Amino acid sequence: EPEVTQTPSHQVTQMGQEVILRCVPISNHLYFYWYRQILGQKVEFLVSFYNNEISEKSEIFDDQFSVERPDGSNFTLKIRSTKLEDSAMYFCASRGTPIANTGELFFGEGSRLTVL
Amino acid sequence: GDSVTQMEGPVTLSEEAFLTINCTYTATGYPSLFWYVQYPGEGLQLLLKATKADDKGSNKGFEATYRKETTSFHLEKGSVQVSDSAVYFCALTRNTGFQKLVFGTGTRLLVSP
Repeated sequence: EPEVTQTPSHQVTQMGQEVILRCVPISNHLYFYWYRQILGQKVEFLVSFYNNEISEKSEIFDDQFSVERPDGSNFTLKIRSTKLEDSAMYFCASRGTPIANTGELFFGEGSRLTVL
Repeated sequence: GDSVTQMEGPVTLSEEAFLTINCTYTATGYPSLFWYVQYPGEGLQLLLKATKADDKGSNKGFEATYRKETTSFHLEKGSVQVSDSAVYFCALTRNTGFQKLVFGTGTRLLVSP
């Protein structure tokens, strides 16, 4: 069964360092998302991406964050200069059709980021 | 803005017990409602959904009914199994735009034999 894959599963970094989280969405999907979950808190929307551009972003997604689909298969989230409060589980998701039709966003297993 | 509120966890039950996880929402218009589940070491998976008032979503013995009058979408199962141990997330989406999901905090369910 097709799945969304994310790497790394866990990354530890020093404050101020750049981090790139990678995702391979399901191959025929068109809509891509990043979410994050700080431990014990809600799963929060960060950004959605469609047709090679950001379609929506939350207030969390400030200038320190960027997304890219560099090669038609990967979908990356970059944090330019990490802060302690960026420590969270980051989930990538994708879907092929409007959500109301299938109801299904396909999620990866998540990448845990720990900023020291 | 839109929001989802779930009961605090963890919920600890014995096998074959009845499960209810409460979920209420705040949203304008008529959102679609979902329950996602995350098993240990896995990503979030869609468990069930309902797209309009009074719809009942069901899957794997779980059920939830879209109650517009109480803005609720409580998850129920008549007899839980150890394999149901997971984190359950209630979520909604507006049926417009790029339809991002708005999640609750998640409720951890622990089922013991």
